[in-house]
Amino acid sequence: DIHMTQSPSTLSASVGDRVTITCRASQSINSWLAWYHQKPGKAPKLLIYKASSLESGVPSRFSGSGSGTEFTLTISSLQPDDFATYYCQQYNSYPWTFGQGTKVEIK
Amino acid sequence: EVQLVESGGGLVQPGGSLRLSCAASGFTFSSSWMSWVRQPPGKGLEWVANMKQEGSEKYYMDSVKGRFTISRDNAKNSLYLQMNSLRAEDTAVYYCAKSQRAVDSWGQGTLVTVSS
Repeated sequence: DIHMTQSPSTLSASVGDRVTITCRASQSINSWLAWYHQKPGKAPKLLIYKASSLESGVPSRFSGSGSGTEFTLTISSLQPDDFATYYCQQYNSYPWTFGQGTKVEIK
Repeated sequence: EVQLVESGGGLVQPGGSLRLSCAASGFTFSSSWMSWVRQPPGKGLEWVANMKQEGSEKYYMDSVKGRFTISRDNAKNSLYLQMNSLRAEDTAVYYCAKSQRAVDSWGQGTLVTVSS
C-alpha cells in the first residue's frame, strides 16, 4: 500500500496568511493526488485533483503543485471559511489512501 | 446539482450485517465510478470500495475483502454496500461518493456503530 504523510499535523495561522501544507507519498503516484478539506460534522469537499487542477467552484486562492512523491497545497490568503482539516489522497493505485490530516486553526 | 443521500446505518452487534444504500441524483449515475469512504469517530478518512460504471470492476480495502460487497443498480440510480461479519473497528460514518475526478462529490454520511 502507498502511505501518505502530511505535514504539519496542526497549523496555527491568521486570516490573510499564506499557508502551505505538504504531502509525501511512500512511492511515486505521478500526479494522481487530490486535496480535500472538511469542517466538523460535515462531509469532505474536493479542492484540487490531479495534483494541480482546481475543482469547479473552488476559490482561486487554493492551488496545488508537485508530482511523483512530493506535493503541496497552498492557500494564498487564508479566509475565515478555510479553518478546517485538510487531507491529501492518492488515487494512483488501489487501495486508495489518505494522509492523516492537517488541522488549520485560528492563531 | 449532485445529490447523494445515504441510508441504512445504525447500531449492530459484532458479527452482524447491515446494508447501506445511496440514492444519487443530479448527474448521469450510469456513467460514473462510485465509491464508499468511511471515517471512524474522531479519526481520518479511509477509502473502502470502488465500483466501475457497469460493474465490471470492483476494488476493496484489504480489511473488508470477503466481508463487504459493493453493488449498484443503474436503473434506480442507487449504490449499495452490503456489510457482513461486522467488527467494532468498522464503526464509522460511511460516505457514498462519486469518483470521476478523485472523490469529487460526497453524501452527508450515515453512521454505523458496531457494539454489543
